[in-house]
Amino acid sequence: DTGVSQDPRHKITKRGQNVTFRCDPISEHNRLYWYRQTLGQGPEFLTYFQNEAQLEKSRLLSDRFSAERPKGSFSTLEIQRTEQGDSAMYLCASNRLGSPTGGNYGYTFGSGTRLTVV
Amino acid sequence: GQQLNQSPQSMFIQEGEDVSMNCTSSSIFNTWLWYKQDPGEGPVLLIALYKAGELTSNGRLTAQFGITRKDSFLNISASIPSDVGIYFCAGQSQPGTASKLTFGTGTRLQVTL
Repeated sequence: DTGVSQDPRHKITKRGQNVTFRCDPISEHNRLYWYRQTLGQGPEFLTYFQNEAQLEKSRLLSDRFSAERPKGSFSTLEIQRTEQGDSAMYLCASNRLGSPTGGNYGYTFGSGTRLTVV
Repeated sequence: GQQLNQSPQSMFIQEGEDVSMNCTSSSIFNTWLWYKQDPGEGPVLLIALYKAGELTSNGRLTAQFGITRKDSFLNISASIPSDVGIYFCAGQSQPGTASKLTFGTGTRLQVTL
């Protein structure tokens, strides 16, 4: 397994357009997380899934954002009617429930999708 | 959202010097983590700490879980140019399960020859 994979790596879009990002977690991991990171800040939690169930959503996740994990494997994050404030790096992470955070099944981040809204 | 306080924000050091950084929180965490992030990449885990008072090493890196469970420290000994990057602390409040992380604001490290 090559780790957590995110696609695309970069996305430039015009304000008002919809964008969708994909995350493929490590195959044995049943939990998948989305984080957002703006310039000069640490990542901030958006939402997470256990298998296909979305168990928690941050207040940062406005109604223009929607995330899915339909078969409990890959996940998509869609942003509708993008705004310039949505420009950020969107990070995906995965791990396995019950495993130590830093262990072999611990939290692993992808390389992120950098979104620029112009 | 909440971010943990990290200091210093940035530091310039010479190769071979030791580095110390810390992270504080207003709330208690049951797990503390330290990550390194290179430009354009996701964070990579360096050290995980699970118990108050715990001191853990990973090569030239040593981290401690504060007794109050509201802080953590990271030391890098004999820094080398590849140590350049942004270091983030992260706390996890739910013990024993894999839940969301709260990250610090980051310490940018630059190493000069």
